[in-house]
Amino acid sequence: EIVMTQSPATLSVSPGERATLSCRAGQSVSSKLAWYQQKPGQAPRLLIYAASTRATAIPARFSGSGSGTEFTLTISSLQSEDFAVYYCQQYNNWPWTFGQGTKVEIK
Amino acid sequence: QVQVVESGGGVVQPGRSLRLSCAASGFTFSSYAMHWVRQAPGKGLKWVAVISYDGSDKYYADSVKGRFTISRDNSKNTLSLQMDSLRPEDTAVYYCARESEALQDWGQGTLVTVSS
Repeated sequence: EIVMTQSPATLSVSPGERATLSCRAGQSVSSKLAWYQQKPGQAPRLLIYAASTRATAIPARFSGSGSGTEFTLTISSLQSEDFAVYYCQQYNNWPWTFGQGTKVEIK
Repeated sequence: QVQVVESGGGVVQPGRSLRLSCAASGFTFSSYAMHWVRQAPGKGLKWVAVISYDGSDKYYADSVKGRFTISRDNSKNTLSLQMDSLRPEDTAVYYCARESEALQDWGQGTLVTVSS
């Protein structure tokens, strides 16, 4: 199975600042990469699919980039509601696999 | 609006069985592949199983292969997960999700606890 590795494990950011999250795949997943946001006690929410396409109703401050094995999720100006855990996930090969998550916390 | 609602979770002893259901509405259920994803307490997300739109193809994570069976009833807009030979490590919140370029829509999950 393809191992997805996210870094850092925790990111401390002040509101209004930029956050950059990384995701590395153990082998190429082309652009079949998604990002999800999960808040405590809630289900995950799809943010980005196909590496860089925002899902419906996702604010423009969220952007994704990359292809192959290296991917990035950028939140341009963190809002209070953005503090959460973020997961990347590849859907190029079975089994689909998730990264271990990056927690974005208030600095 | 799209809605998926899981049910059937609970506390079960190791080695026993449990059946989860997911009721879908707000979209043409028979046109979409559906997945189960689980999350152990305090841990990350783990993909469990998928079934194609018509039920003809199914894939499972190695950790559940041979013990879990995914199925669907397109006439009732319902997805199911039959879980047999349950183990303590199967303890998790189980989510069903609609596939549309990744996992587009998720339910709120149902908690399964495997404990004696």
